[in-house]
Amino acid sequence: DAGVTQSPTHLIKTRGQQVTLRCSPKSGHDTVSWYQQALGQGPQFIFQYYEEEERQRGNFPDRFSGHQFPNYSSELNVNALLLGDSALYLCASSLLASPATDTQYFGPGTRLTVL
Amino acid sequence: AQSVTQLDSHVSVSEGTPVLLRCNYSSSYSPSLFWYVQHPNKGLQLLLKYTSAATLVKGINGFEAEFKKSETSFHLTKPSAHMSDAAEYFCVVSHSGYALNFGKGTSLLVTP
Repeated sequence: DAGVTQSPTHLIKTRGQQVTLRCSPKSGHDTVSWYQQALGQGPQFIFQYYEEEERQRGNFPDRFSGHQFPNYSSELNVNALLLGDSALYLCASSLLASPATDTQYFGPGTRLTVL
Repeated sequence: AQSVTQLDSHVSVSEGTPVLLRCNYSSSYSPSLFWYVQHPNKGLQLLLKYTSAATLVKGINGFEAEFKKSETSFHLTKPSAHMSDAAEYFCVVSHSGYALNFGKGTSLLVTP
């Protein structure tokens, strides 16, 4: 059973550029959440997608947007990159209908460096 | 609002001695509480989870945590530390399947 997968593993961009990160959830999971983990910090919630709709959003600007596809995979898009966007971006998946809806399983992350 | 406070940013123990990582939570609702571990250059792994069943929760790799409502605490313990336990540990609170709110993390160092 494949776990949560993310691509790419590493990415280097320059300020002002745009980036797209991808996530495939764990088999059978229908909900995808994205987190940003700055160096030395705990992950911060960006947003969560369910049924192709944004279900909840954290305190992130509109430069951060997302999408969920019918197969439950998801993309995170960041426009107009800033140096402060450099971080590890984590995707987590869960099953909304499960009694254990809070249990989120994380992928290995995408390391984004903005120069 | 839900939040957690990890009381120690760094904990150092000797191999074979007990581990205690402290976490206090704040929640207006009956929370779900978790401990996740993050090894260097690896993803987050769920250690254990509390969801209002038994207050003593057993997790993987010999870790356990006790939910104490009167103290609003959810401390993580292990009777005997192993070198492979060295990692970053995060206490996390959630409600009804929405956002996970992470603490700032506790770095566990295990010395020979």
